Amino acid sequence: DAGITQSPRHKVTETGTPVTLRCHQTENHRYMYWYRQDPGHGLRLIHYSYGVKDTDKGEVSDGYSVSRSKTEDFLLTLESATSSQTSVYFCAIGQVPRTDTQYFGPGTRLTVL
Amino acid sequence: GNSVTQMEGPVTLSEEAFLTINCTYTATGYPSLFWYVQYPGEGLQLLLKATKADDKGSNKGFEATYRKETTSFHLEKGSVQVSDSAVYFCALSSDSGGSNYKLTFGKGTLLTVNP
Repeated sequence: DAGITQSPRHKVTETGTPVTLRCHQTENHRYMYWYRQDPGHGLRLIHYSYGVKDTDKGEVSDGYSVSRSKTEDFLLTLESATSSQTSVYFCAIGQVPRTDTQYFGPGTRLTVL
Repeated sequence: GNSVTQMEGPVTLSEEAFLTINCTYTATGYPSLFWYVQYPGEGLQLLLKATKADDKGSNKGFEATYRKETTSFHLEKGSVQVSDSAVYFCALSSDSGGSNYKLTFGKGTLLTVNP
């Protein structure tokens, strides 16, 4: 199994509070991704990173920001959480030359009340 | 844009039954196709992949053939086990430039296998 951990694994928070989720990898993969999983939607890409300090938006990036200051860590921040951001969040990593084979972390279940 | 459509679940089978989960796609160019599996409480794991037309991906008794003429990548297994109970996701990759390939996922199909 790829060495990917996510923290926290579960979190309950209130609307309007900031939340940061962490993804940590030990594989030294260049690419990292944040997805959210919702019933009836499959997985949708939020943001991704193609190197330290290099990030770009996915299809559902509104309300989220990311940072990557080290190869091994990719942070996802909800600046002001809303109930629509209640979801399961997955981090994934990918390696060149092809990053389409991605390896997923165990997920973080976030509930915004 | 790219899209993946897979059969709606849930699918419930008895042990040793034959499994088919349909997947069709819309994409430009020549994407790679994937099946990922998610066991309860876990992240997604790559089950199999195919990178070009007529390729067959296989793993753990599961198979899927990349059919360009029908834009399909149906997942099959001849004899399912209780341990195959999971959610199955079909996905395709698209080249966003450079080495970055983005994945587009179907909505997932929940499979339950009863003893």
